[in-house]
Amino acid sequence: KAGVTQTPRYLIKTRGQQVTLSCSPISGHRSVSWYQQTPGQGLQFLFEYFSETQRNKGNFPGRFSGRQFSNSRSEMNVSTLELGDSALYLCASSPAVGGTDTQYFGPGTRLTVL
Amino acid sequence: GENVEQHPSTLSVQEGDSAVIKCTYSDSASNYFPWYKQELGKRPQLIIDIRSNVGEKKDQRIAVTLNKTAKHFSLHITETQPEDSAVYFCAANTGFQKLVFGTGTRLLVSP
Repeated sequence: KAGVTQTPRYLIKTRGQQVTLSCSPISGHRSVSWYQQTPGQGLQFLFEYFSETQRNKGNFPGRFSGRQFSNSRSEMNVSTLELGDSALYLCASSPAVGGTDTQYFGPGTRLTVL
Repeated sequence: GENVEQHPSTLSVQEGDSAVIKCTYSDSASNYFPWYKQELGKRPQLIIDIRSNVGEKKDQRIAVTLNKTAKHFSLHITETQPEDSAVYFCAANTGFQKLVFGTGTRLLVSP
């Protein structure tokens, strides 16, 4: 099976702009989770989608949002970008919901906010 | 609340030595504990996991132990090799049904 893919791989934006990141899960996986990775902070959970429904949300402001389509592909959106949003954004797909099974990570989208 | 603490943050060993990374969790409802390895510039990849009904699991040079009473679990790597150099993350699921990750351990194996 093809692995998890993310597009784009790199993004450079300026403060105040918005950005949309895309994630295509492994075929058959209905759970997609998003994480923000920054040096020293590890992986911070953003949200999880399962069958087009948001199942869980981390402690991030409302500027961070997401959605999932009927084919399980997922997008996350960050509006009104801030310098602190610069990070590697990883998505992970899983055959099970709620962190109860292996999560397979994509290569990530590196976002730089200037 | 849910919290996973991981120690040490960096670990340097000589090739052939053993390495041990320890994590503690706070949510007594946690029942799934994976370990991920992330090489520089690459995605995290699962190397081993353990569920709460098992106390220890081994896979060749890698083993994980779980102490539910003390709420801690550890990764053991024996006969370390330079290619084991990477950042290792522990994680635990929570009663709120999400994975919470530790802050990572940078392992450096010197030849």
